[in-house]
Amino acid sequence: AQSVAQPEDQVNVAEGNPLTVKCTYSVSGNPYLFWYVQYPNRGLQFLLKYITGDNLVKGSYGFEAEFNKSQTSFHLKKPSALVSDSALYFCAVRRISYNTDKLIFGTGTRLQVFP
Amino acid sequence: NAGVTQTPKFRVLKTGQSMTLLCAQDMNHEYMYWYRQDPGMGLRLIHYSVGEGTTAKGEVPDGYNVSRLKKQNFLLGLESAAPSQTSVYFCASSLTAGPRGGELFFGEGSRLTVL
Repeated sequence: AQSVAQPEDQVNVAEGNPLTVKCTYSVSGNPYLFWYVQYPNRGLQFLLKYITGDNLVKGSYGFEAEFNKSQTSFHLKKPSALVSDSALYFCAVRRISYNTDKLIFGTGTRLQVFP
Repeated sequence: NAGVTQTPKFRVLKTGQSMTLLCAQDMNHEYMYWYRQDPGMGLRLIHYSVGEGTTAKGEVPDGYNVSRLKKQNFLLGLESAAPSQTSVYFCASSLTAGPRGGELFFGEGSRLTVL
């Protein structure tokens, strides 16, 4: 079964420091992986995706993610965190078969960036 | 460009009452989805549609029905509301299913409380 796991409920980081939000996946075949961000009382916003090609994917707001096939990971990173990055982050994997096409989300990781 | 619009944004129901959540998108997207978001469980897919006139079950379809009579609208119905359906509901749409697309655009959410 295809699934995605986010092992940390919350990540705390000081402003200006690098941040990493972890995600691991389990899929059959080539993975389509996504990161979304949710600000308070808002819907989810797309950050970036990995379909194929370079393992380092760049996205919105200075975020990037590194696809690691051997470790089945797709960690979200940013070199220098901002207080405004504080939000809920979701990793997702696209589950495609002959009769279905769904996006399956992880449980989310809350990022707190302290001044 | 409104994107994805959900109505109503808030609703309180009594157990056993029925209601319909409306999702409208103006991006001419083929795919539409209904998710529910609960603390600690991330987003779970209720139902989805891959085109006008089609619907399919997601991970947690019980107690819900959907209809996609028009391409731009996706309705989620609760025939007999239960307290377990207290949640925040998100509608989303996407243009394509394949590798070139896949990112979802989300509405702002509908907060439903069942007493």
